[in-house]
Amino acid sequence: EADIYQTPRYLVIGTGKKITLECSQTMGHDKMYWYQQDPGMELHLIHYSYGVNSTEKGDLSSESTVSRIRTEHFPLTLESARPSHTSQYLCASSDRGGTEAFFGQGTRLTVV
Amino acid sequence: KNQVEQSPQSLIILEGKNCTLQCNYTVSPFSNLRWYKQDTGRGPVSLTIMTFSENTKSNGRYTATLDADTKQSSLHITASQLSDSASYICVVSDRGSTLGRLYFGRGTQLTVWP
Repeated sequence: EADIYQTPRYLVIGTGKKITLECSQTMGHDKMYWYQQDPGMELHLIHYSYGVNSTEKGDLSSESTVSRIRTEHFPLTLESARPSHTSQYLCASSDRGGTEAFFGQGTRLTVV
Repeated sequence: KNQVEQSPQSLIILEGKNCTLQCNYTVSPFSNLRWYKQDTGRGPVSLTIMTFSENTKSNGRYTATLDADTKQSSLHITASQLSDSASYICVVSDRGSTLGRLYFGRGTQLTVWP
């Protein structure tokens, strides 16, 4: 079983609130990713990281930000949540060669 | 443009039957192709991974094939079970960048009826 964890699993918050979605992995993977997935739709890459202090924006424009201060930790922050941010957010990590890629269980975010 | 197309979009089969899901991709240069199973509300779980030199890989009742020349892959599920009901996602990785980007298909939603 993959050692990548996301918290919280479910979150309902009000518009304008600041939130941080947590993602941690214990596999020592250099690469980590955040994806956004609406129901029945494909995963869209919103952020990725090659390693510590390396972060890049993905394909889908997102108002969120990420940080990578430690190898095992890749939190995603929304400074001011809006209803349009309602979605499932999936975190993943992979080894340097890209042969292993594991996903967390996801955080289902609802902004009311 | 790197793309991954899956078909059918959805599929309903009876328990015990076999089925085959398709994946076509244009990702280049190709590194590997994975099939994931995603249960509703959960993260994807890897079923198989194949590199350029592999043309078939099995994992229990799941068998994936890869034709790197035609850029096609299939996932065959044998003797389906109710627990196979899920979305099956084809993911292709490139090796054109240091990241090894992952490109996702939209998935095939499989429903197995008793």
